[in-house]
Amino acid sequence: QKEVEQNSGPLSVPEGAIASLNCTYSDRGSQSFFWYRQYSGKSPELIMFIYSNGDKEDGRFTAQLNKASQYVSLLIRDSQPSDSATYLCAVKDTGNTGKLIFGQGTTLQVKP
Amino acid sequence: DAEITQSPRHKITETGRQVTLACHQTWNHNNMFWYRQDLGHGLRLIHYSYGVQDTNKGEVSDGYSVSRSNTEDLPLTLESAASSQTSVYFCASSDPSGGSYNEQFFGPGTRLTVL
Repeated sequence: QKEVEQNSGPLSVPEGAIASLNCTYSDRGSQSFFWYRQYSGKSPELIMFIYSNGDKEDGRFTAQLNKASQYVSLLIRDSQPSDSATYLCAVKDTGNTGKLIFGQGTTLQVKP
Repeated sequence: DAEITQSPRHKITETGRQVTLACHQTWNHNNMFWYRQDLGHGLRLIHYSYGVQDTNKGEVSDGYSVSRSNTEDLPLTLESAASSQTSVYFCASSDPSGGSYNEQFFGPGTRLTVL
């Protein structure tokens, strides 16, 4: 059973701080990784995609991938109350199935 | 603009009734997926389809069925609703030509309560 693990939280950070969200996955052959943001009562929306080892930056968001350690993380710099949401880590299933395997999500609370 | 819609947005039904949740996308995506989301479980895959007449079971398919008669629609049917199927249901679609990128676009969700 392929698994994606996240700490469910809640992770609470003060406004302006860096929020660090972590995700581990079990399938060593996984190649593509996604971070979705989901506001309460809403549907998930993609915020970051990464497939190469290292860092990928997009505005205040940085995704970090370490395939050797089977670890992917999301950093949110200068956290804002509007960043308060659940962040879902997803890993593309191997074998070109088009499926994504989701973690249970980490709830982030940014306190003013 | 292309979009993915779900109906109804909220549904209350009784145990044993058959329920169908609709999903319609105008992205012209071949891949479509149904998930359920419960507290502590994240998104779990129910059924998926790679194109017309193609359907496949996901990890939690018992008690659910789907059919794909055209590219745009993938209705999800609960054959005999059970209280354990009370959940929020999300439909998603993706373009298989996206390669490793393969972003899934989600509908707004349907909140189903089975009494």
